[in-house]
Amino acid sequence: KNEVEQSPQNLTAQEGEFITINCSYSVGISALHWLQQHPGGGIVSLFMLSSGKKKHGRLIATINIQEKHSSLHITASHPRDSAVYICAVEQGAQKLVFGQGTRLTINP
Amino acid sequence: DAGVTQSPTHLIKTRGQQVTLRCSPKSGHDTVSWYQQALGQGPQFIFQYYEEEERQRGNFPDRFSGHQFPNYSSELNVNALLLGDSALYLCASSGNPGASGYTFGSGTRLTVV
Repeated sequence: KNEVEQSPQNLTAQEGEFITINCSYSVGISALHWLQQHPGGGIVSLFMLSSGKKKHGRLIATINIQEKHSSLHITASHPRDSAVYICAVEQGAQKLVFGQGTRLTINP
Repeated sequence: DAGVTQSPTHLIKTRGQQVTLRCSPKSGHDTVSWYQQALGQGPQFIFQYYEEEERQRGNFPDRFSGHQFPNYSSELNVNALLLGDSALYLCASSGNPGASGYTFGSGTRLTVV
């Protein structure tokens, strides 16, 4: 079993829909990161969380430390949101352990 | 303010050859981590450099080695390339102890034939 599990692995939705991507982890962490990866390969950091909730534009990330679970929400989804979203947990001195990613496709 | 710069962007090598990948961290960052991402998978931690020393290492063979220079830039070397080494190699920089988060490069796509 992977230390970081994401669901779903693939998600296709229509423009405007509310999107939720889930991440569960089984190890102790100092922080959790949500990342976005476009087809070219480059990764952009969206959020770094250690507790509670963060919001940036249409993106919201939450974490429940007791349940070892985090969610990434996208409101009013748009085709430009299509990408792979990756959850990564930080253990100790800055080592990241990644989930396998969720491939999101938003159709117009 | 330049982000993380990786070179080259693409590379094709033959089995058994050696390869060197380069990474310049974001200005103000002193820690560099390297990750291998196989197609369709999440990145896997290779190793991390801080103060020119390897601070942590993932589950990768000794064929994978690295170096960090006084200007914080870093190299990843892979010897005796195997077909299975074909992947996207990502570099991420951070400030110690990492409170500022990570900045990732666009990666080097290595193909071994």
